[in-house]
Amino acid sequence: DTAVSQTPKYLVTQMGNDKSIKCEQNLGHDTMYWYKQDSKKFLKIMFSYNNKELIINETVPNRFSPKSPDKAHLNLHINSLELGDSAVYFCASSYGSNTEAFFGQGTRLTVV
Amino acid sequence: GESVGLHLPTLSVQEGDNSIINCAYSNSASDYFIWYKQESGKGPQFIIDIRSNMDKRQGQRVTVLLNKTVKHLSLQIAATQPGDSAVYFCAETYTGGFKTIFGAGTRLFVKA
Repeated sequence: DTAVSQTPKYLVTQMGNDKSIKCEQNLGHDTMYWYKQDSKKFLKIMFSYNNKELIINETVPNRFSPKSPDKAHLNLHINSLELGDSAVYFCASSYGSNTEAFFGQGTRLTVV
Repeated sequence: GESVGLHLPTLSVQEGDNSIINCAYSNSASDYFIWYKQESGKGPQFIIDIRSNMDKRQGQRVTVLLNKTVKHLSLQIAATQPGDSAVYFCAETYTGGFKTIFGAGTRLFVKA
């Protein structure tokens, strides 16, 4: 039974398109995150939500819009995709602010 | 701490030897530190953690050491096995921060 699941696993799209990535966790956690991992493996936090409320927006362009319909879901919508958006996006969840995070398998986004 | 465009450091060890992976963290206010392991095509996976009121914590074959004076963290893996080959990340956060900062990562190769 997958703890943190994200879909799709792979996403190839053209510049200018709009796309969404979905994330669900069945761990009962109250905090969810989106991370971006670049080609050098560097992991950078994008957003964090606690009890469906946005807590951290780490200077991400407003083309990226997260949405948390409930504590178990955190989706990421991206408008007007650019080449530089190509990366692996990870969803994660945790209890509160300073406990271990559980990560999804990642979504590899390729913008062509 | 955060990496700025650096190549991923690599550590190569012989199977059965001990491995030590080092990390410098950036925020003096950080009070919780985690080591994650990321295998190819997967999300980061929790290995071991330590809080700032401790300087050493041991798990099964792994030990984390924390030196707050110089803001340094290390992960020791005893009797390294081929299955330990992965990228290892240190991460730091603080109570109420909801923002985990990942280090640059170290790629561990285990030679049989």
